[in-house]
Amino acid sequence: QLVQSGGEVKKPGESLKISCKASGYSFPNYWIAWVRQMPGKGLEWMGTIYPGDSETTYRPSFKGQVTVSADKSVSTAFLQWSSLKASDTAMYYCARQKGTAAGGGEFDIWGQGTVVTVSS
Amino acid sequence: QSALTQPASVSGSLKQSITISCIGTSSDVGSYNLVSWYQHHPGKAPKLMIYEGSKRPSGVSNRFSGSKSGNTASLTISGLQAEDEADYYCCSYAGSITLVIFGGGTKLTVL
Repeated sequence: QLVQSGGEVKKPGESLKISCKASGYSFPNYWIAWVRQMPGKGLEWMGTIYPGDSETTYRPSFKGQVTVSADKSVSTAFLQWSSLKASDTAMYYCARQKGTAAGGGEFDIWGQGTVVTVSS
Repeated sequence: QSALTQPASVSGSLKQSITISCIGTSSDVGSYNLVSWYQHHPGKAPKLMIYEGSKRPSGVSNRFSGSKSGNTASLTISGLQAEDEADYYCCSYAGSITLVIFGGGTKLTVL
């Protein structure tokens, strides 16, 4: 399963790192994706990491806006922002992706989601 | 493209069948057999219902089925039940740059 860190309330310009802890499977051997759901909107893939070698791929619109990372020693993936904006307010899900290539497989296990609220 | 095209809403009566379409392009749905479908109840984690176009994960009811024709994928739910009321999203691999693209989501109402 994937268990995400709790909800966060931040001010614009602050930094944030949220987490996604995996258990019950070999963490290094599966891609982990981050998916955003803005209020009242649909799901949007942000980026993906392969914890085994930290290979990372981002949706072009998120490149430079967020950083995806992973720590194999604690079976945890991370999503971080260096300077939050109000438009980052959303629910963020992590999901395990099957398949051998980034994006090339289904998301079979999902975290419960982390709500991020950015407001002055 | 930014998102696959799904109807915003569909509805059906208990025990009836409905089909949700997911229109893509020759760069995503039409090129790869990597369409998946997710059921999302608000406040809960999305759940994988169909993968590789038509395969069902273990534990998913056989009332759910998927298909694809050209650039359009479809999810059919037969014998509608009250608990099927949820948002449904299609998703496709879209090549080495975009990688993953979701549909805009369809709200299913069971009457």
